[in-house]
Amino acid sequence: GNSVTQMEGPVTLSEEAFLTINCTYTATGYPSLFWYVQYPGEGLQLLLKATKADDKGSNKGFEATYRKETTSFHLEKGSVQVSDSAVYFCALSDEAGNQFYFGTGTSLTVIP
Amino acid sequence: DVKVTQSSRYLVKRTGEKVFLECVQDMDHENMFWYRQDPGLGLRLIYFSYDVKMKEKGDIPEGYSVSREKKERFSLILESASTNQTSMYLCASSFIIGNPQYFGPGTRLTVL
Repeated sequence: GNSVTQMEGPVTLSEEAFLTINCTYTATGYPSLFWYVQYPGEGLQLLLKATKADDKGSNKGFEATYRKETTSFHLEKGSVQVSDSAVYFCALSDEAGNQFYFGTGTSLTVIP
Repeated sequence: DVKVTQSSRYLVKRTGEKVFLECVQDMDHENMFWYRQDPGLGLRLIYFSYDVKMKEKGDIPEGYSVSREKKERFSLILESASTNQTSMYLCASSFIIGNPQYFGPGTRLTVL
């Protein structure tokens, strides 16, 4: 079946450090892939998405590339800020658009 | 701007009480979802609805029911609250199942 696997957290980084949060998926065909962010005390917000292989989604300095060959959609940011402290969720919707799957989330804390 | 609102941010109830959680979206979305979020378990789908008066069980429907009498409103009902239903409850909506979901701010429910 379809699933999403994220790297375990929590992740703690110093300000201006490089961020990578790994996400791999299992799905048939060509799912769409998403990253959501949840700031403390809030609901999830869509951060970026990619709908086909080799697409790169980007927003607020974050990027993720849809890699079909490695079934991955890793989230990266070149220089994190304290305000990026949040929980990040990788997600996919299956090719038919009938189901939506979330990873378990990765908590990021950025310290000054 | 898209908007999903939930009736309460924080709620405290006693064991055995009937609890209603309300969710309203203003985007004319067909689909609405209820999740619960627990540490280490990520998001788990309780129920979703793809049309007025239509509902489907998610992964963990036991102990919950839902109601969707109007397109914009989706209610989650705990018929007899129990302590193991203490959790963060998140409502979401989407135009098509496979499209990005938009989330409300969440309701943190404590059952004593």
